[in-house]
Amino acid sequence: QSALTQPASVSGSPGQSITISCTGTSSDVGGYNYVSWYQQHPGKAPKLMIYDVSNRPSGVSNRFSGSKSGNTASLTISGLQAEDEADYYCSSYTSSSTLVFGTGTKVTVL
Amino acid sequence: QVQLVQSGAEVKKPGSSVKVSCKASGGTFSSYTISWVRQAPGQGLEWMGRIIPILGIANYAQKFQGRVTITADKSTSTAYMELSSLRSEDTAVYYCARHSGVLWYFDYWGQGTLVTVSS
Repeated sequence: QSALTQPASVSGSPGQSITISCTGTSSDVGGYNYVSWYQQHPGKAPKLMIYDVSNRPSGVSNRFSGSKSGNTASLTISGLQAEDEADYYCSSYTSSSTLVFGTGTKVTVL
Repeated sequence: QVQLVQSGAEVKKPGSSVKVSCKASGGTFSSYTISWVRQAPGQGLEWMGRIIPILGIANYAQKFQGRVTITADKSTSTAYMELSSLRSEDTAVYYCARHSGVLWYFDYWGQGTLVTVSS
């Protein structure tokens, strides 16, 4: 199972919106609405930001939103803030009853 | 509040095995599903496998099949991940993470355990 493809880095100025893509196949992202997104700050455990494509856990800012089209899922961060600077990973359930993560995206706030 | 507390850092020789524990508190352990995820230095997250303690069933990523064993002890609310035939590329932080119910996302994570493989 190959890792899902994410851009290595995305940057934006405070207040701007950015979008991170996550591309898989019909056996993972495209086949199920089980895409999640995690935020990871250096030296910390990942934190769930979005689950089941577009749902936000309690306590996560509504500046974070998720969507999916075909084999590509996306995470959008609006009103970018300094604290959003982190690594972001998507994940998807697969047809083999396993999980696959994305390659990860480093978000830089300029 | 659910907490997952992992065992401490390990240094292992190539060819040996390591067993990392993940003790859960809060909630009902037997109803959890626990996955193990690792992260090599400067690299991304990698799913290794999961266990459903109430069923005693585990499944693994193909990459680790035959080398990893995930178990759970319901009496102590502890999950374990054992990785054998260690090589330098297995140097990583290993995390346990709880699935939300039977769904495929993780709402709670352990603090991580650094396993270093070095001769």
